[in-house]
Amino acid sequence: EAQVTQNPRYLITVTGKKLTVTCSQNMNHEYMSWYRQDPGLGLRQIYYSMNVEVTDKGDVPEGYKVSRKEKRNFPLILESPSPNQTSLYFCASTETSGRGIHEQFFGPGTRLTVL
Amino acid sequence: QKEVEQDPGPLSVPEGAIVSLNCTYSNSAFQYFMWYRQYSRKGPELLMYTYSSGNKEDGRFTAQVDKSSKYISLFIRDSQPSDSATYLCAISSASKIIFGSGTRLSIRP
Repeated sequence: EAQVTQNPRYLITVTGKKLTVTCSQNMNHEYMSWYRQDPGLGLRQIYYSMNVEVTDKGDVPEGYKVSRKEKRNFPLILESPSPNQTSLYFCASTETSGRGIHEQFFGPGTRLTVL
Repeated sequence: QKEVEQDPGPLSVPEGAIVSLNCTYSNSAFQYFMWYRQYSRKGPELLMYTYSSGNKEDGRFTAQVDKSSKYISLFIRDSQPSDSATYLCAISSASKIIFGSGTRLSIRP
C-alpha cells in the first residue's frame, strides 16, 4: 500500500529536550516536505527537499532541522524544543512536474506538546 | 498580505445545499491550483487540481479558477453529511506550495 508513515503519532516532551520525528514514504517520490498546522493559520511549510541531499527552508524553518540522506526518509529534528513548537506536524511526499507540485500524499500527523 | 487568503468559516449548511468555498491569491507565478479535504484527525487528501482558468468538474465537485482576478472556488452540489470536513485551497509552483488556512464545513442532516 502506497503510504507516508510518521512516528511517533503523539509526543509530550519538555523544553530543551532534543527530539526527532521520523517520516518515510514507499512511493519513490523525490519531493518531501514537513508542515505544521495550527488553528487559524492553516498548513505552513517548515522545510522541503526536492531530492536526496537537497533541502531548503519553507516559511517557518526557525527551530527545526531536517536531513535527506535517503530518498524514502525525511526526519524532522527539534534540537531544543520550545512551547511555541507545540503543534500538529505533517510529513508529505509527491512527484513534481515542470509546472508545479500537485498531489501531495500526507502522513497521519504527529501531535507534539512541548511543556 | 498573505499569499493565499481563504474564507475562514466555519460554514454550516443543510444537506442537499450548494456550497461555495473561496480563496484569493496574490502571486501570478503560481500555476497549479488545488483543493484538499481534511477529515478530523487525518492528513489532508487531494480533492481536485487544475492549472488553467475555467471550470473543472468531478462528480458533485466543481473547481473554478479565474487567473485574471486571482480567485479560486470550490462548489459542492447536493452536499452530504460525509462532506463535513475542513477544505484547504492550495497554489503551487515548481518548487513551492502554499495552503490557505482552511474552511471548516459542516453539513446538517
